[in-house]
Amino acid sequence: DAGVTQSPTHLIKTRGQQVTLRCSPISGHKSVSWYQQVLGQGPQFIFQYYEKEERGRGNFPDRFSARQFPNYSSELNVNALLLGDSALYLCASSLVLYNEQFFGPGTRLTVL
Amino acid sequence: QQQVKQSPQSLIVQKGGISIINCAYENTAFDYFPWYQQFPGKGPALLIAIRPDVSEKKEGRFTISFNKSAKQFSLHIMDSQPGDSATYFCAASPGNTGKLIFGQGTTLQVKP
Repeated sequence: DAGVTQSPTHLIKTRGQQVTLRCSPISGHKSVSWYQQVLGQGPQFIFQYYEKEERGRGNFPDRFSARQFPNYSSELNVNALLLGDSALYLCASSLVLYNEQFFGPGTRLTVL
Repeated sequence: QQQVKQSPQSLIVQKGGISIINCAYENTAFDYFPWYQQFPGKGPALLIAIRPDVSEKKEGRFTISFNKSAKQFSLHIMDSQPGDSATYFCAASPGNTGKLIFGQGTTLQVKP
């Protein structure tokens, strides 16, 4: 069975630009969460979606937004990129809202 | 109160030895405690998880010990192997949310 997939693998942007990251959950999973992992640190929670509704939001600015589609895939958007947004962005899926979370390989975002 | 504190930051163990990583938390609302293993350039992989109604859970060479009164939990890796060399993260989730709060990580090196 396919795991969580994320695209693109790597991305290089310049300050002020906008970026969209994509995630496809494990088949049958209805919840998707997004995390930011800065080098050398643990992942930080950004958003959780379940059945296309936002069910949790971490301490991130409004430049960060996300949505979940009817097929349960998800997009994370970041506007007005800052150098500090450079990180590995991880998507995790779970069967339902409070279940085990399985992570994808991540998207490495570099902001120059 | 939302923090999870993990120690040690790094650990070197000989092949065949026992690796022990500790985590502590403050928020008594946490009710789910997973451990993740992460290799360089990869997403975190779920190793083992525990809920507060049990004090110990074992899966193969991996054991979680949980002390509810001390608000501490630990990962023991028995018969450590060079292939176990990775970064390990503990995490905790507050009740009725899917949000994972991660520790800072422990880099484990198992020497042949």
